[in-house]
Amino acid sequence: GQQLNQSPQSMFIQEGEDVSMNCTSSSIFNTWLWYKQDPGEGPVLLIALYKAGELTSNGRLTAQFGITRKDSFLNISASIPSDVGIYFCAVHNAGNMLTFGGGTRLMVKP
Amino acid sequence: SAVISQKPSRDICQRGTSLTIQCQVDSQVTMMFWYRQQPGQSLTLIATANQGSEATYESGFVIDKFPISRPNLTFSTLTVSNMSPEDSSIYLCSVERGGGHEQYFGPGTRLTVT
Repeated sequence: GQQLNQSPQSMFIQEGEDVSMNCTSSSIFNTWLWYKQDPGEGPVLLIALYKAGELTSNGRLTAQFGITRKDSFLNISASIPSDVGIYFCAVHNAGNMLTFGGGTRLMVKP
Repeated sequence: SAVISQKPSRDICQRGTSLTIQCQVDSQVTMMFWYRQQPGQSLTLIATANQGSEATYESGFVIDKFPISRPNLTFSTLTVSNMSPEDSSIYLCSVERGGGHEQYFGPGTRLTVT
């Protein structure tokens, strides 16, 4: 089946640093989504991307839909302690399904 | 977005028993989805539940193990049947909103089977 390769698997950074994570696939997709999951909660949608090359921001978060439609990245600028959590990329498949990447666990040291 | 609630939020169950998880949405939606998230893992789609039709199950999931009801456009249930410790997971429902296939998730039900 389709697989999304998300990296890195985990990151431990200092507060104030910028963060970058990405997702790649061997298949082309028309929609890329980025979610954040806090402990004990469901994933929360951060950014949705619909057009190849699209660059979208949501506060300190910026995500891009790769021009080949096979990848996407998420950047977080000037990280703060509440950025801690697991970040997931997801793609929309035929049949209205979402396929999720393996997740990036972000830890922020104050 | 969408306001989605799930009951129970967590439960500890004995093997061999069944648990029914409820998902309630604040407004009518056509498509609802059920996911499983095993400890430390990503989300895996169990099934898609549309009102008025049988749920569509993904590979590796069967109706006898995970029966789903969708009696109306704001509510769905997922039952985890004849549980074993391997069923210990977080179970999440989601709905699709907006024209761009965005899905919004409930808070999840954390199930532990002993």
